[in-house]
Amino acid sequence: QSALTQPPSASGSPGQSVTISCTGTSSDVGGYNYVSWYQQHPGKAPKLMIYEVTKRPSGVPDRFSGSKSGNTASLTVSGLQAEDEADYYCNSYAGSSNLGVFGTGTKVTVL
Amino acid sequence: EVQLVQSGVEVKKPGESLKISCRASGYTFTSYWIGWVRQMPGKGLEWMGIISPGDSNTRYSPSFQGQVTISADKSITTAYLQWSSLKASDNAMYYCARRNFWAFDIWGQGTMVTVSS
Repeated sequence: QSALTQPPSASGSPGQSVTISCTGTSSDVGGYNYVSWYQQHPGKAPKLMIYEVTKRPSGVPDRFSGSKSGNTASLTVSGLQAEDEADYYCNSYAGSSNLGVFGTGTKVTVL
Repeated sequence: EVQLVQSGVEVKKPGESLKISCRASGYTFTSYWIGWVRQMPGKGLEWMGIISPGDSNTRYSPSFQGQVTISADKSITTAYLQWSSLKASDNAMYYCARRNFWAFDIWGQGTMVTVSS
């Protein structure tokens, strides 16, 4: 499978919103409601922020929200805070063989 | 506490074999698939493969099929990732992660593998 496509970077000022896109195909993002999003700070393991397109695990602030339209999923971070500065990766179930595929990653900068 | 604890830093030479581990605790090991994810220096996350610890059913991403072997020992709640002959291109951080709701909800701390002559 090919990696899902994300913009390399995104930025916003504190308090603003930033939206990251994740584009795949009908064989992954568009075919299933199994898109998840991960936050990774430098030198740390990734952390699950969104699963099944829109659901937030316990403990994840409601400033983080997910959506999907067709073959493109999105993560929106509202009310940006300094600690939101990190790399973000999407992931989708990719159908048969029980496999998945990650996005290319987006570096979010809080200006 | 639900956690995955991985084995420590490895420094190896090209051609050597290696097996790294991921020990699970705080949950029923056989109820969740465990995946392995590669992150090369300065690069993104890559799906390597996944195993069901209950029956050792294993799936590999095409890029990693035949390059690594994923296994699990449910008696000691541990999953493994192994290489028979390391290459310089295997330099990376390797993470194990528990799959839940088709997402990876718990991650290990990562194992850094350095392959250098």
